[in-house]
Amino acid sequence: RKEVEQDPGPFNVPEGATVAFNCTYSNSASQSFFWYRQDCRKEPKLLMSVYSSGNEDGRFTAQLNRASQYISLLIRDSKLSDSATYLCVVIHGSSNTGKLIFGQGTTLQVKP
Amino acid sequence: NAGVMQNPRHLVRRRGQEARLRCSPMKGHSHVYWYRQLPEEGLKFMVYLQKENIIDESGMPKERFSAEFPKEGPSILRIQQVVRGDSAAYFCASSPTRTGGHGYTFGSGTRLTVV
Repeated sequence: RKEVEQDPGPFNVPEGATVAFNCTYSNSASQSFFWYRQDCRKEPKLLMSVYSSGNEDGRFTAQLNRASQYISLLIRDSKLSDSATYLCVVIHGSSNTGKLIFGQGTTLQVKP
Repeated sequence: NAGVMQNPRHLVRRRGQEARLRCSPMKGHSHVYWYRQLPEEGLKFMVYLQKENIIDESGMPKERFSAEFPKEGPSILRIQQVVRGDSAAYFCASSPTRTGGHGYTFGSGTRLTVV
């Protein structure tokens, strides 16, 4: 079983749609959680951190459910420029090295 | 203030040759991480280094791969006797601390093609 699992998609949505991605992680000792964005296999870029209380950044909302070991990302009012691969990332609590554990990524294609 | 610099951007090697990938971290960052992304897969951790020390190499293949981060100069990921399966994108990231996460900055990567 992969440590971080995501539905690879692709998710094809029209502009203006709301889309949600889910991610599950297997290591209950995971302590830090992030969503990264990767365009056309360029370098990944941090989109947002994910906190237990949930957090929002403009059109993006991230949620963490520690009991279910589940992370989500909600994108409202999708733009063409949101087309990318979204990577769910965790850091293990037992890790003192800060290495990132990546999911395979979920591909989003926003159509006009 | 330049970001993380990786070179070359693209590297083509014949089977059996050596590949050397370079990474210069951001100014002030002394923690370097290497990740590999195989075609159609996610990024996988390879190795974590601080200046002159390998801290965690749990993701490195046992043979042919080595990494260093000397006191002066860039970090080097070296692949000896490359095989077709080594073809991938290799990303370097640097961080000011070992906790990483939102402190990470990734380089643009080196795309290695083995022919």
